[in-house]
Amino acid sequence: NAGVTQTPKFQVLKTGQSMTLQCAQDMNHNSMYWYRQDPGMGLRLIYYSASEGTTDKGEVPNGYNVSRLNKREFSLRLESAAPSQTSVYFCASSEGGAVEETQYFGPGTRLLVL
Amino acid sequence: GNSVTQMEGPVTLSEEAFLTINCTYTATGYPSLFWYVQYPGEGLQLLLKATKADDKGSNKGFEATYRKETTSFHLEKGSVQVSDSAVYFCAFPLGGATNKLIFGTGTLLAVQP
Repeated sequence: NAGVTQTPKFQVLKTGQSMTLQCAQDMNHNSMYWYRQDPGMGLRLIYYSASEGTTDKGEVPNGYNVSRLNKREFSLRLESAAPSQTSVYFCASSEGGAVEETQYFGPGTRLLVL
Repeated sequence: GNSVTQMEGPVTLSEEAFLTINCTYTATGYPSLFWYVQYPGEGLQLLLKATKADDKGSNKGFEATYRKETTSFHLEKGSVQVSDSAVYFCAFPLGGATNKLIFGTGTLLAVQP
């Protein structure tokens, strides 16, 4: 059981370039999330999708777009990368619907923007 | 507003030492509380949780008790191992229509043999 998978694992971009981070889950979960992790700041929510066909902004959405392609896949796009977007990005998923439920995380994508 | 405050790290301990990582929260009502752990090079995974006041969550020798009076959820382990070296995050959900999590800044634990 793969759980949550993310690609790529590592990426280097130049300022102004674009890229898409891919995320997929095989647990038939309804909800999916994108977080970024920065030193001394914990994890901050970028976007989330409560169910297939819906997306909504989190705490730090500026500079990002998302697509919930189907129930399994939730992608994060940087249209014009900036050095401030250098971070580790985590995708997560959960069944959806209960506040005490567990979120399952992927292994992360390390992004360096020069 | 809603927030989580964790003790700053790194915390460096010798094997078999007692561990406490403090966590306090500010929230509306009494949310479920979580501890997530991130081992080197991996994503986060749930370590334990408590869903109501006075509940004790436990897993892998770790424990945390939901203290409503002090709005705290401190993580403890009686005897740490080198394999417990990781970053530990306290968190709770904002609730509402989704389970957006509010995370603390994380506490790095390094256990030396």
